[in-house]
Amino acid sequence: QKEVEQDPGPLSVPEGAIVSLNCTYSNSAFQYFMWYRQYSRKGPELLMYTYSSGNKEDGRFTAQVDKSSKYISLFIRDSQPSDSATYLCAMSYNSNSGYALNFGKGTSLLVTP
Amino acid sequence: ETGVTQSPTHLIKTRGQQVTLRCSSQSGHNTVSWYQQALGQGPQFIFQYYREEENGRGNFPPRFSGLQFPNYSSELNVNALELDDSALYLCASSSGTSGGASPPFFGPGTRLTVL
Repeated sequence: QKEVEQDPGPLSVPEGAIVSLNCTYSNSAFQYFMWYRQYSRKGPELLMYTYSSGNKEDGRFTAQVDKSSKYISLFIRDSQPSDSATYLCAMSYNSNSGYALNFGKGTSLLVTP
Repeated sequence: ETGVTQSPTHLIKTRGQQVTLRCSSQSGHNTVSWYQQALGQGPQFIFQYYREEENGRGNFPPRFSGLQFPNYSSELNVNALELDDSALYLCASSSGTSGGASPPFFGPGTRLTVL
């Protein structure tokens, strides 16, 4: 069993829809949770970064962490065609000297006009 | 402020050869990590360097090695290339401090094809 599970999709939604992306994990030692967006043939771009449980909002993006259920989510409001990309969840144990990230496989999102 | 840069953008090697990939970290960052991303997969952690020393390694064989230089730039070396080494190699930098590090920021990657 992989430590981080993520449905690869593809997920197709109409422009303006609310998108929900999710990951589950098995290791309760994870403390730091991130979401990255990756366009085709590019490097991942950091979208959201959270520590421990709770919600964090940044513009159209909201990240949720539920450590009791080992479940994290990313919500995208008012989705746009430019949001079409692969979304990667990532998590790590500690940060004192940097991170060693454990990634999901990524969910491919297509927002249609 | 410049972001993470990597070179070359892409290259093609044959099985058994050796390759060196390079990374310049984002200004102010002293920690560099390397990841391998196979097609359709999430990135896999190879190793991390902090203050010129390796301080974490994923499940990769010793033929994957690295260096970090005093200016925090880094190299990834892969010896005895195998066909399965074909992937996008990503470098990420972050700032490690006693109070915790910033999250990693990734470069554009180097696409390696092994024939």
